Amino acid sequence: DAKTTQPNSMESNEEEPVHLPCNHSTISGTDYIHWYRQLPSQGPEYVIHGLTSNVNNRMASLAIAEDRKSSTLILHRATLRDAAVYYCILPNTGNQFYFGTGTSLTVIP
Amino acid sequence: NAGVTQTPKFQVLKTGQSMTLQCAQDMNHEYMSWYRQDPGMGLRLIHYSVGAGITDQGEVPNGYNVSRSTTEDFPLRLLSAAPSQTSVYFCASRPGRRRNTEAFFGQGTRLTVV
Repeated sequence: DAKTTQPNSMESNEEEPVHLPCNHSTISGTDYIHWYRQLPSQGPEYVIHGLTSNVNNRMASLAIAEDRKSSTLILHRATLRDAAVYYCILPNTGNQFYFGTGTSLTVIP
Repeated sequence: NAGVTQTPKFQVLKTGQSMTLQCAQDMNHEYMSWYRQDPGMGLRLIHYSVGAGITDQGEVPNGYNVSRSTTEDFPLRLLSAAPSQTSVYFCASRPGRRRNTEAFFGQGTRLTVV
């Protein structure tokens, strides 16, 4: 099963774009890349997912490298409400989610 | 549409007591999972189910029991609580077997074992 590597923490100024990286060098051709975030004292919530092409939704964009060994979650304008732990996840062969420690994003007013 | 509902939200147990954490979803999802989250850590998978009558172990199954008699409910039983099981427990559900489906999480149960 493919593993992911993320920085432990990142900071961003409010209203500026944020790029959260994730490395998954052992990804297979059928692995989807999922991103979830966890706000303080809440359960994780879905952000976005993709396979090969870049993806956009209301919350964020997902940029996937051409070789798929890395991806970047892009928050276009960070707000204080975006302060959370962001998890990059590749479902395993049993289609289960295994969480790492994620990236803790601090947004500076 | 309530999504994933966990009860109780908070619980204090004495060492050796047993209890059941409840999880219910109203989205007709096949997949359901239980996770625990210790302070400063990511979520760790305890048990999961891919449909009624089918359960399997995750990363940290010891001390926990599950069953799935209906699609809607996936209770987690602590057989004999230990202080090491003090944690926040999250239940999740997903529509099915495809890897591109979104997971929905409950708000968690904060359990303290004294």
